[in-house]
Order: sequence, then C-alpha cells, then structure tokens
Amino acid sequence: DTEVTQTPKHLVMGMTNKKSLKCEQHMGHRAMYWYKQKAKKPPELMFVYSYEKLSINESVPSRFSPECPNSSLLNLHLHALQPEDSALYLCASSLTGQETQYFGPGTRLLVL
Amino acid sequence: GDSVTQMEGPVTLSEEAFLTINCTYTATGYPSLFWYVQYPGEGLQLLLKATKADDKGSNKGFEATYRKETTSFHLEKGSVQVSDSAVYFCALYSSGNFNKFYFGSGTKLNVKP
Repeated sequence: DTEVTQTPKHLVMGMTNKKSLKCEQHMGHRAMYWYKQKAKKPPELMFVYSYEKLSINESVPSRFSPECPNSSLLNLHLHALQPEDSALYLCASSLTGQETQYFGPGTRLLVL
Repeated sequence: GDSVTQMEGPVTLSEEAFLTINCTYTATGYPSLFWYVQYPGEGLQLLLKATKADDKGSNKGFEATYRKETTSFHLEKGSVQVSDSAVYFCALYSSGNFNKFYFGSGTKLNVKP
C-alpha cells in the first residue's frame, strides 16, 4: 500500500479565516513533505519533516504553519492567507527522506 | 546546483503514436531519477524510477534509461493511448541534497483518438 490521504479535497476560505489541511500515511514513512503547486507549474517544496522534526522550511510565510503530531500525520495550519495562496497543496512521504516520494491527491485551496 | 530540464509542451499525438519526452539533468552527487505523472485534478503518481547509471525503469509500457554520459532520462512509450493524456514531470533526488527533489517544469501530453 503506497497511499497518502489528504483532507479536505477542496477548501474555500476568506482572508481572515483559520483552517487546517490534513495528511496521513500508514506506510511507516518517517519523512513527510508539503508542496504548493500553481496551475501549469511543478510542485514547490514548502516544508520537510524528518522523524517528526522540521528539517526544511523553504522560507515560507508565517501564515502557513506546519505541524507533525506523530509519524503518520502531518497538518498545515492556515491563517490570514492571501488570494495568491490559492493553489493545489500536495502532501508526500518517503521512507527515510532519501528515497521515492509518494504523493497524496492534494487539497485544492481557494482564498477569496 | 542540481536541476532538471524537460522539453517544452504541450505534446500532441494521435493514439498509437510513439512518445518521447526529453529530460536532462545537472547534479553534483549521484542522483536517482524519477518520472511522475499527474492526471487532471489529481496528485502526482510515481511512474518509474532508476537509481544508478544504465538502469532502465519501466511501468505501464513507459520506459526510461538513466544515461550518465549524456545526463539524460528520456521517457518513451511505443504506443500511446488517450488515457495517457496527462502532465509528466521528470525529477531527481541527489545524495548531496538530503530530502529535496528537483522537478522539471512538466510536459503536457495530449493524445487524440
């Protein structure tokens, strides 16, 4: 089983809202990732967690706040987003961070 | 730094045509190379991979060979189907860049019946 699940599938939020994206995997992977993908572009890395510790933050604005409560779960907390943050947010995982990444289906976010 | 360059799209083919999508890379370490496919409205799916020079990755009729001498990993399929219409991303992971993948810009493939 190489499944990464993400909820919700779609999200519409206003610029003053607070919302969270959730990602889950049960493959025993110890590295998890958040990517942002704009239309017709490749995914852009946002954050990497390795063994539940944040190991990479690609200079992402503080209105995006990641959290890794345990080895199977990754959250992305959203607050005071801007319309330009509208995108597909993809979660991925890999066994230890040095192998194939497996992607979830994404959450399509629209900020009004 | 590490990088991946893919051919510009879109690529439009008729069903049963031969497909080649070019991918070349620059890497400081010993990269693993990947092809991912993204169908409309979905996430990325691993299509195939190769971890060392001269390895051939294959899946669902798609193939790619890791060519160190030409720093290439071109994707090929002998006979495309309408269902192959998607965006294809070439990517590399290098041992010198822990935890980071480098993606190409993506190539959109349209297959007409």
